[in-house]
Amino acid sequence: DVKVTQSSRYLVKRTGEKVFLECVQDMDHENMFWYRQDPGLGLRLIYFSYDVKMKEKGDIPEGYSVSREKKERFSLILESASTNQTSMYLCASSFGEPQHFGDGTRLSIL
Amino acid sequence: DAKTTQPNSMESNEEEPVHLPCNHSTISGTDYIHWYRQLPSQGPEYVIHGLTSNVNNRMASLAIAEDRKSSTLILHRATLRDAAVYYCILRGPLYGSEKLVFGKGTKLTVNP
Repeated sequence: DVKVTQSSRYLVKRTGEKVFLECVQDMDHENMFWYRQDPGLGLRLIYFSYDVKMKEKGDIPEGYSVSREKKERFSLILESASTNQTSMYLCASSFGEPQHFGDGTRLSIL
Repeated sequence: DAKTTQPNSMESNEEEPVHLPCNHSTISGTDYIHWYRQLPSQGPEYVIHGLTSNVNNRMASLAIAEDRKSSTLILHRATLRDAAVYYCILRGPLYGSEKLVFGKGTKLTVNP
């Protein structure tokens, strides 16, 4: 079975900190994705990558950046965390269909 | 992206069939219909997808209307573990447009 592992289930950080969320997949998938999920808004795509060192903006990239130095790892970076970035963050990977998701990181920015 | 419309919530009894509807009247000829579900405290998981013909797998069946403006996800015998939010999503076939656009989905409650 495909496994998508997110480094933390829960994370608490302070406003202004630089925050790294890590995601690793074990199936050699080309495509990787970062979403955030908020009540009433559903899942929204932040960034995705279809190859090493390649990235594409999703629907809500502001305040975020990403890094994909190796095929199996896709990092989401909050350059200067703000309280409105408190959310559930979900990573996914795919090669064609379907997308496989991790269990999410619940991030709180205080 | 073409839009989908789903009921906010539905309720079912254990071991009974469940029919989850989805309307997508602006679907294009090349859009695939995907269903994912999200169990509490977990990430979404793939259920099924199709283009024109009805599809079956071990989890569910997908019935697609002849005009493709609507579809129905069928769980043949609901279990408590099927309680989740179900998302109906349209996605084009082109490489590079891999992203999934999630709506608000249907929250399915399964009663024992």
